[in-house]
Amino acid sequence: DGGITQSPKYLFRKEGQNVTLSCEQNLNHDAMYWYRQDPGQGLRLIYYSQIVNDFQKGDIAEGYSVSREKKESFPLTVTSAQKNPTAFYLCASGQGGNQPQHFGDGTRLSIL
Amino acid sequence: QKEVEQNSGPLSVPEGAIASLNCTYSDRGSQSFFWYRQYSGKSPELIMSIYSNGDKEDGRFTAQLNKASQYVSLLIRDSQPSDSATYLCAVSRGDGGGADGLTFGKGTHLIIQP
Repeated sequence: DGGITQSPKYLFRKEGQNVTLSCEQNLNHDAMYWYRQDPGQGLRLIYYSQIVNDFQKGDIAEGYSVSREKKESFPLTVTSAQKNPTAFYLCASGQGGNQPQHFGDGTRLSIL
Repeated sequence: QKEVEQNSGPLSVPEGAIASLNCTYSDRGSQSFFWYRQYSGKSPELIMSIYSNGDKEDGRFTAQLNKASQYVSLLIRDSQPSDSATYLCAVSRGDGGGADGLTFGKGTHLIIQP
C-alpha cells in the first residue's frame, strides 16, 4: 500500500543525546515536511524539502537537522541543542505546488 | 508572524445537526486552504481542500472561502458521533500554494452529542 511510514512510534531521549526520527514515503511525492505538535497546539513547521538534496528551515528549526538524500526519505535528527524536545512529531509529503499534504502516523518523543 | 485563528471550543452539536467551524488567517498571499480532522492521539487526516472563493462540497462536508475577509469555514451536515474530533484549519505559507509548508490553527474540538 502507498503511504508514509514513520518510525519509531515512541522514542525516549536521554540528556545530551541526539536521536533520529525516520520518515519514508512511497507515494512518489517530491515535497516532504516535518512538523511538531505540542499538547493543545497546532502543528508548527520544522523543516521542509521540495526536492532531493535541498531543504529549507521552517519556523522552529533550531535544535533540529534533516537530510534529503533520497526522494523517499526525509529523516529528522533532534539534537541535544533542542532543550524541549518532548512533542508529537509528524512527517508529511505532497506533490508540491498547491497540492495537499498527507501525514504519517507520527512519532512521540519524550525525555528520560 | 503569519497566523491562523480558530475557536478552540469545545463546540457541542447534537447528532444530526449541522456543525459549523470557522477559521481566519492573516497572510493575504495565501492561495491554498485545507481542513484536517485529528482524532485524539492520531495524526491529521485531510478532509477538504479549497483554493477559490465560494463553496466546495464533498459528501456531508462543505468548505467555504472568502479571501477578501480572510475567512475559511467548514460545515458538517448530518453530524455523527464519529465526527467528534479536533478540526485543524491549515493555510499555505505565502504564494507558494503550500509547497513551502502550511500554517496551522490550534484546532477546534468538536463534540457530537448522541
